[in-house]
Amino acid sequence: ETGVTQSPTHLIKTRGQQVTLRCSSQSGHNTVSWYQQALGQGPQFIFQYYREEENGRGNFPPRFSGLQFPNYSSELNVNALELDDSALYLCASSTGTSGSFDTQYFGPGTRLTVL
Amino acid sequence: EDQVTQSPEALRLQEGESSSLNCSYTVSGLRGLFWYRQDPGKGPEFLFTLYSAGEEKEKERLKATLTKKESFLHITAPKPEDSATYLCAVQDTGKLIFGQGTTLQVKP
Repeated sequence: ETGVTQSPTHLIKTRGQQVTLRCSSQSGHNTVSWYQQALGQGPQFIFQYYREEENGRGNFPPRFSGLQFPNYSSELNVNALELDDSALYLCASSTGTSGSFDTQYFGPGTRLTVL
Repeated sequence: EDQVTQSPEALRLQEGESSSLNCSYTVSGLRGLFWYRQDPGKGPEFLFTLYSAGEEKEKERLKATLTKKESFLHITAPKPEDSATYLCAVQDTGKLIFGQGTTLQVKP
């Protein structure tokens, strides 16, 4: 158990809809990162938040956005869903400072299917 | 372009048969290389961080090494419970880049 939880476990949406995925980190984990993992591939970095501010972003369009809250929870929002957004979405948290990826603890992920 | 490539894509070993997994990378400014283990249906589990060429880390049957262009994950006398996908990731400025993973199967 990593102490990182994600909800929901599975989600089915249709193209064009919006979705919000949630992550709850361990107390004291000020850094949270989100990743998209397609089947059979390694995770792709979406963005990282440190103390409620985005401080790093991968090659994802602006329709992918996030929020981090003072209670160590965070959200990933995706607007205008496309079929290619179907994937496992992972969050990972750590006690590292801004820009650190050391010793990340991953949640079990949310499986998103876009029809 | 930043790139991380892992080989082989899949590896089958007999229990006790030692081997190595490779992670080669091209990034403009390496700030850390990480190894993870991922079991089916679960999120990755952190194994090691390496920061500079020549660095080595060990944990049970696993040993990770780093050069200027690649990293190796050596598995000594593996057991069936070592079966998993092993991911390496490289930190460049402000982002983390994962390889596609090596799926290891250890047969008893």
